[in-house]
Amino acid sequence: GDSVTQTEGPVTVSESESLIINCTYSATSIAYPNLFWYVRYPGEGLQLLLKVITAGQKGSSRGFEATYNKETTSFHLQKASVQESDSAVYYCALVRRSNNRIFFGDGTQLVVKP
Amino acid sequence: AQTIHQWPVAEIKAVGSPLSLGCTIKGKSSPNLYWYWQATGGTLQQLFYSITVGQVESVVQLNLSASRPKDDQFILSTEKLLLSHSGFYLCAWSPDWGNTGQLYFGEGSKLTVL
Repeated sequence: GDSVTQTEGPVTVSESESLIINCTYSATSIAYPNLFWYVRYPGEGLQLLLKVITAGQKGSSRGFEATYNKETTSFHLQKASVQESDSAVYYCALVRRSNNRIFFGDGTQLVVKP
Repeated sequence: AQTIHQWPVAEIKAVGSPLSLGCTIKGKSSPNLYWYWQATGGTLQQLFYSITVGQVESVVQLNLSASRPKDDQFILSTEKLLLSHSGFYLCAWSPDWGNTGQLYFGEGSKLTVL
C-alpha cells in the first residue's frame, strides 16, 4: 500500500544549527504522487509548509526546502539555520489523487533550543 | 478568504454516549471535505471524504459515520462512543481534486472518552 515514513521525534537542535527531517514514501499505486510537508505550530492548526507535485523539483518556504527524489522515493525537509520559532510538529504527506486519499507520516516534533 | 470552523473545540464524553462533531467552511462553494483522526501519539488517518452534498465515502471503519447535509457543512457522529474514539479530529477542505490535492485544515476537536 501507500505509506510515509519520517524521522521519529522529538528532534532537538540548537538555534542556528542545520536541520534535516527524513521522509521516504511508498506509493505502490501511484507513479508520481504529490508530496507535501505540513506543520503544526504550538497552539495553531495544521497548515501547509511546502509542496512539490513534479518529480525532481524542489519546494521551499520559510527557509525550509525539500526535493522530490523519485529514485530514492524521498522528500527530506532541510533548513540551513533553524530558529526557535521553528519549533513545531512536521508531517510529511503524499496524495493519491485518483481516489481522494492523503497519507501522512507519524509527524516529527522539532524542538529548537535557544 | 475561506475560513473553516470546527465545533466543539473539546469534549469529554462517557463510553456509550452519542457524539456529534461539526465543521463549516465559509467562502468556498462546493469544496471537497475530509475528516481525519489522530489518536494520542498516533498517525493522522483519513476517515471520510465528500465531494458533494449528500455523498460521503468512508475510508477507515471506526464505528463512526459522516454526513454532508449542506454544501458547507460536514458532520461526524456516532450513537455509541468507544474508548478507542478518543483523540483529535480534524476537518479539512480542498478546492477540488483537479489541483494539487492541498488540504486546508480546521483547528480540530479534541475528544476524550472515559
